[in-house]
Amino acid sequence: AQSVAQPEDQVNVAEGNPLTVKCTYSVSGNPYLFWYVQYPNRGLQFLLKYITGDNLVKGSYGFEAEFNKSQTSFHLKKPSALVSDSALYFCAVRDPRWGFGNVLHCGSGTQVIVLP
Amino acid sequence: DAGITQSPRHKVTETGTPVTLRCHQTENHRYMYWYRQDPGHGLRLIHYSYGVKDTDKGEVSDGYSVSRSKTEDFLLTLESATSSQTSVYFCAISGELVSMNTEAFFGQGTRLTVV
Repeated sequence: AQSVAQPEDQVNVAEGNPLTVKCTYSVSGNPYLFWYVQYPNRGLQFLLKYITGDNLVKGSYGFEAEFNKSQTSFHLKKPSALVSDSALYFCAVRDPRWGFGNVLHCGSGTQVIVLP
Repeated sequence: DAGITQSPRHKVTETGTPVTLRCHQTENHRYMYWYRQDPGHGLRLIHYSYGVKDTDKGEVSDGYSVSRSKTEDFLLTLESATSSQTSVYFCAISGELVSMNTEAFFGQGTRLTVV
């Protein structure tokens, strides 16, 4: 069965410090992995994805994520956090049970709070 | 932002009444999805569509139906609303998986309250 775990409900970090949001996954077959960010009263915005290729993926707003197959992890990172990065972050994996579309199985989300 | 519009953005309705939420896209994407978002659950798939008049049930489809008569529109109907259907509903779209543009794009959501 497909699953995504985000072990931290909340991450607090000081502005300017590195930010890491953890994600581990379980999926049959090759994983298609995604990170999304959600600001209050908004939809989910795509940040980055891993489909194949380099394990280090760079995305929007200075975010990057590292795919680690042996640890089945896809942690989101940012070298220097901004107050404006405060939001809810979701890790997602494509669920292959529904044909050729991109049905997502999401984690429960991690609230990031960047303190000034 | 991807061209996805959900309507209405907010709705309060009474238990037992039917409710229809609309998702409209201008991207001509084949796949469309309805999810609900509840605290601690992330997103849960209600229904999805893989083409005009082609739909399938997701993991929480009971009490919901959908229709897709045109590529651009995907309607979600709560046949008889219940308080357990109070939630935030998101529509999403995605293109062909064989392309590299595999990410899903989300609408801004509809906050539905059933009283």
